[in-house]
Amino acid sequence: RKEVEQDPGPFNVPEGATVAFNCTYSNSASQSFFWYRQDCRKEPKLLMSVYSSGNEDGRFTAQLNRASQYISLLIRDSKLSDSATYLCVVQKGPLYGGATNKLIFGTGTLLAVQP
Amino acid sequence: EAGVTQFPSHSVIEKGQTVTLRCDPISGHDNLYWYRRVMGKEIKFLLHFVKESKQDESGMPNNRFLAERTGGTYSTLKVQPAELEDSGVYFCASSQGRGGLNEQFFGPGTRLTVL
Repeated sequence: RKEVEQDPGPFNVPEGATVAFNCTYSNSASQSFFWYRQDCRKEPKLLMSVYSSGNEDGRFTAQLNRASQYISLLIRDSKLSDSATYLCVVQKGPLYGGATNKLIFGTGTLLAVQP
Repeated sequence: EAGVTQFPSHSVIEKGQTVTLRCDPISGHDNLYWYRRVMGKEIKFLLHFVKESKQDESGMPNNRFLAERTGGTYSTLKVQPAELEDSGVYFCASSQGRGGLNEQFFGPGTRLTVL
């Protein structure tokens, strides 16, 4: 079983739509959670960190449910420029320092926003 | 400020040959990470340097892979001898500090093809 599971998609949505991605992780020791965005043949870039209280950045909202080991990303009012692969990422290490800093990636969910 | 750079961007070699990948982290970043993505799989951690020391090399697949970071600046990842299954994209990342609050910035990757 993969440590981080995501629906690979693709999600094909029209401009302006709201789309939600979900992710589950298997290791309850995970302490830091992120959504990364990866454009085709480019490097992953941090989209947002995910906190237990939930957090929002413009059209993007991330939620974390530690009890269910579940992370979500909601994109409102989709733009053509949102088309990319969205990677769910967890890290076992603490917020500061720690011996373990490796990021554990899901396979990613492909989003295609149609005009 | 310059981001993480990697060289070469592409490398095509034959099975049994040696290849050396280079990563230059963001200036001042003590933490340097290597990851790779093989076709159809998720991005996986290889190892983590803190300055010139290997902090975590739990992801290194076997002894054909050798990573170095002499002087704590740039890093090299040598594959010797290369096998077909080593094909993939090798990403380098760097961060200023350790822990989930320290973003890992990724380089553009080296696409390695072993024939």
